[in-house]
Amino acid sequence: GNSVTQMEGPVTLSEEAFLTINCTYTATGYPSLFWYVQYPGEGLQLLLKATKADDKGSNKGFEATYRKETTSFHLEKGSVQVSDSAVYFCALTTLRGGYQKVTFGIGTKLQVIP
Amino acid sequence: DADVTQTPRNRITKTGKRIMLECSQTKGHDRMYWYRQDPGLGLQLIYYSFDVKDINKGEISDGYSVSRQAQAKFSLSLESAIPNQTALYFCATSDPGTSGSTDTQYFGPGTRLTVL
Repeated sequence: GNSVTQMEGPVTLSEEAFLTINCTYTATGYPSLFWYVQYPGEGLQLLLKATKADDKGSNKGFEATYRKETTSFHLEKGSVQVSDSAVYFCALTTLRGGYQKVTFGIGTKLQVIP
Repeated sequence: DADVTQTPRNRITKTGKRIMLECSQTKGHDRMYWYRQDPGLGLQLIYYSFDVKDINKGEISDGYSVSRQAQAKFSLSLESAIPNQTALYFCATSDPGTSGSTDTQYFGPGTRLTVL
């Protein structure tokens, strides 16, 4: 079956530090890959996505590149801010019997300190 | 106004009680989902619905039931609540669009349920 692996954290960084959150996956077929972000007290919201190999998703200074050869979709940001403190979920979707099955990672908590 | 709303936002109940969590959406999406979130486990799919007449079990449907009253409403019921159903519950919607598996999910704010 499909699976997504990411560290649970927490990851603690100082403001303006470089961020990498690793995400690797196993899937049948050709998945689409997503990063969702969950701010405290809120639901998940889409941060970025990539639908095919070598695509780069980007939003709000975050980037992730779909690497089929390493089955990875690592999230990066060059300079984090306190407002980036949240839980980040890597996810994938594949088509199965007409249903777009979604598989989430466990979520990585990011804490950015001033 | 939020596109996906959930009521209640917090609920404390006792073992054996029947409770219902409600979800409403104004996005016009046919697909709706119920997930539970537990620390260290991420999100697990409970039920999903492609439209009003199509409801399917997810990964962890035992102890839960759902009702799709309209395109905009999808309710989750716990027939007889037990303590290990204490979790954060999320409703989500999606629109498959016109291409492949790019089915972005839109989440409600969540319901924190505690079963004593």
